[in-house]
Amino acid sequence: GNSVTQMEGPVTLSEEAFLTINCTYTATGYPSLFWYVQYPGEGLQLLLKATKADDKGSNKGFEATYRKETTSFHLEKGSVQVSDSAVYFCAFAKGFQKLVFGTGTRLLVSP
Amino acid sequence: EAGVTQFPSHSVIEKGQTVTLRCDPISGHDNLYWYRRVMGKEIKFLLHFVKESKQDESGMPNNRFLAERTGGTYSTLKVQPAELEDSGVYFCASSPKGQPQHFGDGTRLSIL
Repeated sequence: GNSVTQMEGPVTLSEEAFLTINCTYTATGYPSLFWYVQYPGEGLQLLLKATKADDKGSNKGFEATYRKETTSFHLEKGSVQVSDSAVYFCAFAKGFQKLVFGTGTRLLVSP
Repeated sequence: EAGVTQFPSHSVIEKGQTVTLRCDPISGHDNLYWYRRVMGKEIKFLLHFVKESKQDESGMPNNRFLAERTGGTYSTLKVQPAELEDSGVYFCASSPKGQPQHFGDGTRLSIL
């Protein structure tokens, strides 16, 4: 069935370190792919998206590339900041309909 | 523009009681979704409204859950009677057609 698998956290990094959060999906067809972020005490915010194979979504220094051949959408950032500490959710949807989410990965960045 | 707002932010009730959650979508957004996250697991889809009509309610767990969207504006999600396993965070999201969803801050529901 449809599902998203993302790496378990927490991921603990020092400020300015490189970040990768892996995400793979199982779905039929060509879904749209998303990363959402939940900062402490807040709701989910769309971080970036990609709607077709080889598209790269980017925002706030984060990037993720839609890899159809590996059904992956890994999140990367070259230099994390303390303010990036949050829970990151990978998700997909068919035509912007209901989202299928992963379990979330908590990122903790220390000064 | 005002975002998606949810009320209450936190509700604590006893097993067997009734609770009603409310969601006010962004003005003009025809699509409204309910999701919930239980015990730190994945966020799961509950149902989808297009205006006042239920487009997809395949994620509703059982008939103790009732969602409405009167007049295609705000939506309510009622749980009656509440059970322990209903505890979690309930998110509402809205979107225009063909656009990504905007989420509210969620309602944390605790069943004692």
